[in-house]
Parts: sequence; C-alpha cells; structure tokens
Amino acid sequence: EIVLTQSPDLQSVTPGEKVTITCRASQSIDTRLHWYQQKPGQSPKLLIKYASQTFSGVPSRFSGSGSGTDFTLTINSLETEDAATYYCHQSSRFPFTFGPGTKVDLK
Amino acid sequence: QVQLQESGPRLVKPSETLSLTCTVSGLSINYYYWSWIRQRPGKGLEWIGYVYYTGSTEYNPSLKSRVSISVDTSKKQVSLKVTSVTAADTAVYYCARDHGNLADFWGQGTLVSVSS
Repeated sequence: EIVLTQSPDLQSVTPGEKVTITCRASQSIDTRLHWYQQKPGQSPKLLIKYASQTFSGVPSRFSGSGSGTDFTLTINSLETEDAATYYCHQSSRFPFTFGPGTKVDLK
Repeated sequence: QVQLQESGPRLVKPSETLSLTCTVSGLSINYYYWSWIRQRPGKGLEWIGYVYYTGSTEYNPSLKSRVSISVDTSKKQVSLKVTSVTAADTAVYYCARDHGNLADFWGQGTLVSVSS
C-alpha cells in the first residue's frame, strides 16, 4: 500500500498569506496525486487533479506541483473561506489512499 | 444539477450487515466508476472500493472479505454492503463518481453508527 504523509499537520494563517502544504508518497506515483478540501460537516471537494491541473470552478489562487514522490499544494493569498482540512490522494496503485490531512485555520 | 444521495440505516448492530444505496441524478451512471469512501469520526479518508457501470469491482484489501459493491444502471443506484460490522465501522460513508481514477463528485455522506 502506498502511504502518503502530509506536512504540516496544522497551519495557522492570516488572511492574505501564502500557504504551502506538502505531500510525500512512499513510492513513486508519477503525477497521480490529487488534492481535496474538506470543511466541517461537508464532503471533500476536488481542487487539483494529476498534481497540477486545477479542477473546474476552483479559484486560481489554488495551485499544485510535483511528480514522483513529492508534491505541493499552494494557496496564494489565503481567504477566510479557505479555512479547511486539505487531503492529498493517490490513484497510482490499488488500494487508493489518502494522506492524513492538513488543517488550515485562521490566526 | 449533479447529485449523489446516500441512503440507508443510520444504526446497525454489531455483527450485522451495513447496507447503503447511492442514488445518482443529473448525470449518467454509464461509462463511469462509482466509489465508496468512508471517514471515521475525527479521522481521515479511507477508500473502500469501486464498481464500474458494467459491474466489475475493485476493493481495498483491508475490507475485501467483508465488502460488496454493486450497481443497478436502470435505477441509477450504487450499493454498498459491509458484513460482520464492529464499532470500527462507525463512519461517514460517501459515494463518489470516479472519473479518471479520481473522485470528482461526492455525495453529502451519511453517518452510520454501529452499536447495540
């Protein structure tokens, strides 16, 4: 099973700041890495697919990069509505797996 | 409007079978995979498995012996069964459309508790 680790676990941010979340895979997954945003009481929403492709309707302040084992989700100029937990997810090999999540909250 | 709606009993007794249905509206059920994903209280996400509209399936080995996922294209429904449940199966269960091996549209989820 491919294990995904995320850092940091928690990031407290002031609106307008830049946020960077990293995801590392236990083995190479090419670019089969996706990012989701989940707010309390809601289902996850797809932000970035295949490491760097922004999903339809997602604001341009969200971007992703990486390949192989190391990936990054960047939120440029955080807005208050971006407070949420962010998960990475690999679909390179079965079973598909998720990272443990990074909680982004507001200072 | 794309909608995936999970339904089923919210309380299941230990050792019994958990059964959920996902009803799809606003998009075709054909030519897609349909996933079930769960989230234990306060925890992360766990992929349970998926079914293609033709009926072929893939399951997480950690649950494979207890899980069955099926599809009824005429009713536009996807079903999940988990047998011999324990408290560890208490979770929010989500169904999602899988397009290109990633879940792009999710239902709102349903909390299923396992308790006597």
